[in-house]
Amino acid sequence: ETGVTQTPRHLVMGMTNKKSLKCEQHLGHNAMYWYKQSAKKPLELMFVYNFKEQTENNSVPSRFSPECPNSSHLFLHLHTLQPEDSALYLCASSLRTSGETDTQYFGPGTRLTVL
Amino acid sequence: GQNIDQPTEMTATEGAIVQINCTYQTSGFNGLFWYQQHAGEAPTFLSYNVLDGLEEKGRFSSFLSRSKGYSYLLLKELQMKDSASYLCAVVDSNYQLIWGAGTKLIIKP
Repeated sequence: ETGVTQTPRHLVMGMTNKKSLKCEQHLGHNAMYWYKQSAKKPLELMFVYNFKEQTENNSVPSRFSPECPNSSHLFLHLHTLQPEDSALYLCASSLRTSGETDTQYFGPGTRLTVL
Repeated sequence: GQNIDQPTEMTATEGAIVQINCTYQTSGFNGLFWYQQHAGEAPTFLSYNVLDGLEEKGRFSSFLSRSKGYSYLLLKELQMKDSASYLCAVVDSNYQLIWGAGTKLIIKP
């Protein structure tokens, strides 16, 4: 058990739908991350939040919109996605982000399929 | 650019030993992580190396050579449950994690 939960675990959506992914961490961490994982590719960092403030946006298309209402919760709002957005979306948390090496703890991911 | 190289796939036999290599070229170095990821599950932390040498944790050991830009994960007494992907990640000078594509390890009886 990693202490990071994600819902839903699986999601199928059409290109015109709007959906949201939810992540919750129970580890008392201050930093949260969204990653995209595609088959046989390295993890792609999408967004980073540190103490609820977004500190990183790695040129992610605007059809992905993150929200971090507090240090324990992170959302990824999805709209007008493309089939190439189909992937495993992983949430992670760590104690802090800046100026030190920190171990990240991951949730089980949401398997997203865009039709 | 920054690059992490690991073999795409490896096969080993139950009870044997396997070594998964990771080579890296990054802007700076502030440590190297190994994670294990079973299919459809979360990556889980295995080890962290920042100094040269071997770190042993039960059946798993991780080695680092900073001068060679090289690390390996050694798995002994392989069990079927060790079938998983193993991810190597390096912390660069900006404390960003640079990830490899992972090595899928298949264990055969």
